[in-house]
Amino acid sequence: GNSVTQMEGPVTLSEEAFLTINCTYTATGYPSLFWYVQYPGEGLQLLLKATKADDKGSNKGFEATYRKETTSFHLEKGSVQVSDSAVYFCALGSSASKIIFGSGTRLSIRP
Amino acid sequence: ETGVTQTPRHLVMGMTNKKSLKCEQHLGHNAMYWYKQSAKKPLELMFVYNFKEQTENNSVPSRFSPECPNSSHLFLHLHTLQPEDSALYLCASSQTVDRVETQYFGPGTRLLVL
Repeated sequence: GNSVTQMEGPVTLSEEAFLTINCTYTATGYPSLFWYVQYPGEGLQLLLKATKADDKGSNKGFEATYRKETTSFHLEKGSVQVSDSAVYFCALGSSASKIIFGSGTRLSIRP
Repeated sequence: ETGVTQTPRHLVMGMTNKKSLKCEQHLGHNAMYWYKQSAKKPLELMFVYNFKEQTENNSVPSRFSPECPNSSHLFLHLHTLQPEDSALYLCASSQTVDRVETQYFGPGTRLLVL
């Protein structure tokens, strides 16, 4: 069946550092891939998505590229800010099943 | 603001109480969901509604009773809950465009059962 695996947290970085949060998936067919972010005390917000191989999703300085050859959708940002501190969820959707979420990666940014 | 609202945002209830959580979406979506988010556990899908019909119930105990009177509103009725039911309850709605389904979440109701 379909599944999503993302790196364990917590991840702690200094402000302006480069961020990578790894996400790999297992799926049949051609799934869509998503990153959601959850700020403290709030629900999940869609951050970006990609719907086919080699697509790049981007938003608020974050990027992720749908890599079919490595079944990955890693989240990156060139220079993080304290306000990026949150929990990040990788997710997979397909016509065969409802959206499947990873376990979440907590990110903390030090000033 | 995602277009999905939930009330109340916080709720404290005793194990013998009856309460309801409300979700409303202003996005014109036809599918709505209830999720449970507990500390240090993955997001758990509870119920799915499509066009007001329940299409999924992931072995949720009967003390949780969903209701979907129309495509814009979703309720979760709670009765005789247990302390382990304390969690963040998230509502979501979705649209499918060109076979791609995207979910949008509300801010959640933080529930504490004493």
